[in-house]
Amino acid sequence: NAGVTQTPKFRILKIGQSMTLQCTQDMNHNYMYWYRQDPGMGLKLIYYSVGAGITDKGEVPNGYNVSRSTTEDFPLRLELAAPSQTSVYFCASRAQDRGHYEQYFGPGTRLTVT
Amino acid sequence: ELKVEQNPLFLSMQEGKNYTIYCNYSTTSDRLYWYRQDPGKSLESLFVLLSNGAVKQEGRLMASLDTKARLSTLHITAAVHDLSATYFCAVDGSTDKLIFGTGTRLQVFP
Repeated sequence: NAGVTQTPKFRILKIGQSMTLQCTQDMNHNYMYWYRQDPGMGLKLIYYSVGAGITDKGEVPNGYNVSRSTTEDFPLRLELAAPSQTSVYFCASRAQDRGHYEQYFGPGTRLTVT
Repeated sequence: ELKVEQNPLFLSMQEGKNYTIYCNYSTTSDRLYWYRQDPGKSLESLFVLLSNGAVKQEGRLMASLDTKARLSTLHITAAVHDLSATYFCAVDGSTDKLIFGTGTRLQVFP
């Protein structure tokens, strides 16, 4: 079991460029989440999904898009990157089984926009 | 709207000392989680507390949950340097999301 994997680990973007952050989980979890963490701060929820084909906005969705075509994958798309999107991005997944609530995190993607 | 507050935000403590981190939340929930984050790393699950009165212990860390007081504590016993990290609590709201606290940055010095 690889758990939650994210690619790339690091990326530098120029202002106005676009990119997709990849997230894959092999635990057959229905729930998946994208967070951003600015230096020295807590987590902010960007988008989440409760199953394939279903996505919803979190606390800070502006400038991002997501899709969930399969249970395993939950990519995060950045359009027209801005310096304010410099952050570390974490993907997480969670089982739908009501007896198992624990949320598992990927290793993160460190993004710099210059 | 569910709010989760941790205190203190920063904690510098000497090795061998005891201390408690507090996590207060604003609405009813009986599921609370503690995570640890080392600098530059991801979040690692420490404890899952699923009912009122739940107590979990792992090494020098012990977590408890009082759902009536809407309070969880993370108690550190005889701190060692390896416990230096940021600790987050998170609460299950009525939605499908966890609400995270602001984190407590712990530094243990000799």
